Amino acid sequence: QKEVEQNSGPLSVPEGAIASLNCTYSDRVSQSFFWYRQYSGKSPELIMSIYSNGDKEDGRFTAQLNKASQYVSLLIRDSQPSDSATYLCAVTPTNQAGTALIFGKGTTLSVSS
Amino acid sequence: DAGVIQSPRHEVTEMGQEVTLRCKPISGHDYLFWYRQTMMRGLELLIYFNNNVPIDDSGMPEDRFSAKMPNASFSTLKIQPSEPRDSAVYFCASSFGTGFQETQYFGPGTRLLVL
Repeated sequence: QKEVEQNSGPLSVPEGAIASLNCTYSDRVSQSFFWYRQYSGKSPELIMSIYSNGDKEDGRFTAQLNKASQYVSLLIRDSQPSDSATYLCAVTPTNQAGTALIFGKGTTLSVSS
Repeated sequence: DAGVIQSPRHEVTEMGQEVTLRCKPISGHDYLFWYRQTMMRGLELLIYFNNNVPIDDSGMPEDRFSAKMPNASFSTLKIQPSEPRDSAVYFCASSFGTGFQETQYFGPGTRLLVL
């Protein structure tokens, strides 16, 4: 069974620090990788996507992908209290168009001021 | 665009009753997904449609669950009869599937409590 694994946390970091969130996946043919942020009581919203090995930066967020190790991570620089949320890693299990995402259970991040 | 619209936002019902959840995807999107989220199991895919046709319903827990998409702008998820273990948040999401890199946009969810 295809799986996406994340540490549930909570991950606690002080304001201004770097938060590092990790995700591993079981299916080697996975092609697309996404990080969603979900505030308590709200719906998931996409913050980053990555498709190729290496780093992808968007503002304070950096996604890192290593397909050989089946590992994807999200770094949040200069963490703010507003970053406190649950971060969901999601993976498409194949390279087929429109394939549904498989989600990890999420890592809860708490940023203290 | 108004985004994905779901109704009702909250539903409280008694065991054995029929529950119908509704979703309007973003206009122009050709994929629609139904997910269920609980603390124990996280976010699980129930079923998804492409151009109103069900593609994969392997996540539907049992025959008590059914989903339809009669047209490109409307989908329903029905539970009959409902049970307390069905209590969860149900999300609808849509995407424009031009390739495997499409983004899924989620609705606000329906919080279902079955007593």
